Amino acid sequence: DQQVKQNSPSLSVQEGRISILNCDYTNSMFDYFLWYKKYPAEGPTFLISISSIKDKNEDGRFTVFLNKSAKHLSLHIVPSQPGDSAVYFCAAPREYGNKLVFGAGTILRVKS
Amino acid sequence: GAVVSQHPSWVICKSGTSVKIECRSLDFQATTMFWYRQFPKQSLMLMATSNEGSKATYEQGVEKDKFLINHASLTLSTLTVTSAHPEDSSFYICSAAFRDYEQYFGPGTRLTVT
Repeated sequence: DQQVKQNSPSLSVQEGRISILNCDYTNSMFDYFLWYKKYPAEGPTFLISISSIKDKNEDGRFTVFLNKSAKHLSLHIVPSQPGDSAVYFCAAPREYGNKLVFGAGTILRVKS
Repeated sequence: GAVVSQHPSWVICKSGTSVKIECRSLDFQATTMFWYRQFPKQSLMLMATSNEGSKATYEQGVEKDKFLINHASLTLSTLTVTSAHPEDSSFYICSAAFRDYEQYFGPGTRLTVT
């Protein structure tokens, strides 16, 4: 049962434009969400997170939006830069403690 | 930010031998570390949770006798792949729990079993 879903395997965006990466979840008990960025042959890097008590969290060019009723979150990158090209994973803590459930990832390609 | 290192970054071993991968939290103490495995073009699969001073807890379907985990200190966890076979070839990544639900990941270890 995949509780965190990223249905778009890839996304291609022009440099300077907005990148929107989507993530859906099925477990209504999830109350915290994280986005990670991963380059090939490297470990994921924490990007931004959001608690379920908020519907938006912003950090520089990165903004995460949470729609609890739709069980949907999205990561917006504005403006997109070629260095943003990577795989982006959304994740949520599972059960008690801090085990994370990851989505399948979305490959973002930012074209210059 | 929190830094997690892994060693080695890349290892080739012969079938039937054992390989040890180290994961260290360099600037913070981590009572909990996690080991993941990633197959090409797939997501991260949690293998086990490593707890300092106690036995690791393994996810369903992960052979604990094959993937030995030791969390000897608050900054070091090791994963030993015993009697490695070609199907064990993969990218292994560790992470350390930092705060709240944040995990900081190591750079990963590419294991190739010939």
